[in-house]
Amino acid sequence: AQTVTQSQPEMSVQEAETVTLSCTYDTSESNYYLFWYKQPPSRQMILVIRQEAYKQQNATENRFSVNFQKAAKSFSLKISDSQLGDTAMYFCAFIQGYGGATNKLIFGTGTLLAVQP
Amino acid sequence: DVKVTQSSRYLVKRTGEKVFLECVQDMDHENMFWYRQDPGLGLRLIYFSYDVKMKEKGDIPEGYSVSREKKERFSLILESASTNQTSMYLCASTEDREEGKLFFGSGTQLSVL
Repeated sequence: AQTVTQSQPEMSVQEAETVTLSCTYDTSESNYYLFWYKQPPSRQMILVIRQEAYKQQNATENRFSVNFQKAAKSFSLKISDSQLGDTAMYFCAFIQGYGGATNKLIFGTGTLLAVQP
Repeated sequence: DVKVTQSSRYLVKRTGEKVFLECVQDMDHENMFWYRQDPGLGLRLIYFSYDVKMKEKGDIPEGYSVSREKKERFSLILESASTNQTSMYLCASTEDREEGKLFFGSGTQLSVL
């Protein structure tokens, strides 16, 4: 069974600095997708970034980038130039790439990031 | 923009009550989901639906049921609420062939006393 592990329950970073959130996963599949979701205090979960396993290039969305290490099954999120609005719970997630109606997204337990002024 | 609307932001119910949590999405998505979020446990899938009147059990379906009579609406039902169902409930939707790209509602914080 696939699992997603986030080993950092809480983290803190100063405004304008860079922070990296860790995520590891376990799967025997070769075709899958990885995600980082952000849940701010407003509770509305939004997708931050998506990585396709067959792409070697790391995904980037503005100040957010990932370090995808397929062999190590590691998928970390780097936030550059941290802003107060980045304060949120961040969830790493995994889904198999075969599609189908019963394909399910598997979430990690989350990392609570606090950006300090 | 896609909008997923959950009917209540906060809800307080008594043990044994029947509870309905409603979710509506406006983007004609085929797939809808109900998750439960608890501290330290992340998000756990309760039920999902990939078509009208179709439903599939997730990882923790016990004590819950669902209804999807129309494509845009997915309801979660607690037949007889218990205190261990006190939690944050999140609804989400996605279209086919966009695996994992979920759009979420703002959640319902349910307290069962």
